[in-house]
Amino acid sequence: QSVLTQPPSVSGAPGQRVTISCTGSSSNIGAGYDVQWYRQLPGTVPKLLIFGNTNRPSGVPDRFSGSNSGTSASLAITGLQAEDEADYYCQSYDRSLRGWVFGGGTKLTVL
Amino acid sequence: QITLKESGPPLVKPTQTLTLTCTFSGFSLSTSGVGVGWIRQPPGKALEWLALIYWDDDKRWSASLKSRLTITKDTSKKQVVLTLANVDPADTATYYCARLTGDLRDSFDIWGQGTLVTVSS
Repeated sequence: QSVLTQPPSVSGAPGQRVTISCTGSSSNIGAGYDVQWYRQLPGTVPKLLIFGNTNRPSGVPDRFSGSNSGTSASLAITGLQAEDEADYYCQSYDRSLRGWVFGGGTKLTVL
Repeated sequence: QITLKESGPPLVKPTQTLTLTCTFSGFSLSTSGVGVGWIRQPPGKALEWLALIYWDDDKRWSASLKSRLTITKDTSKKQVVLTLANVDPADTATYYCARLTGDLRDSFDIWGQGTLVTVSS
């Protein structure tokens, strides 16, 4: 069981908007620790998509956005494209565990 | 250009100790706010953080694996070494090393290609 909970799968049609949730607790997201999002295309290395809850690294299009509230965070993808089909992982720091934690991952299917 | 590359044995027998080396370039592990972490991913499963070493030699370990893990660095060689003792088939996974940087709010911004380790007799 992952410390951060994500839905196993989400789907959307090309051009649509989808959101992926990440639910934590008062010892990680709720404690104010930053949330990162990573995208892992099939058979490839995870890539940083969002850092510090809402920030995009250079080169990541503004179709991707992050937000958080309370003990949860969300990743939104607008203008869905076929190449967005991948696994998405949230990550934060947990003060009780004194270490970094990942969500269980969400598989995004573009219909 | 920042790169990291993992190296280690592809096959390890149960109860043995797994030693993995992360060789990096393009940054220094003596720079304040920088760390190198290890993350693994069993086939078809989620990412799991294992350990991290900071520029100042501060170390962190996964609570569930702490008794089996060690992590060290050689700043001059630009290497970080992870050992996992008493391996089990459940430790079969792709092992990644990644840079953690305070510049990007302590995110793992650059990852190695990963190395697949199978634990089997």
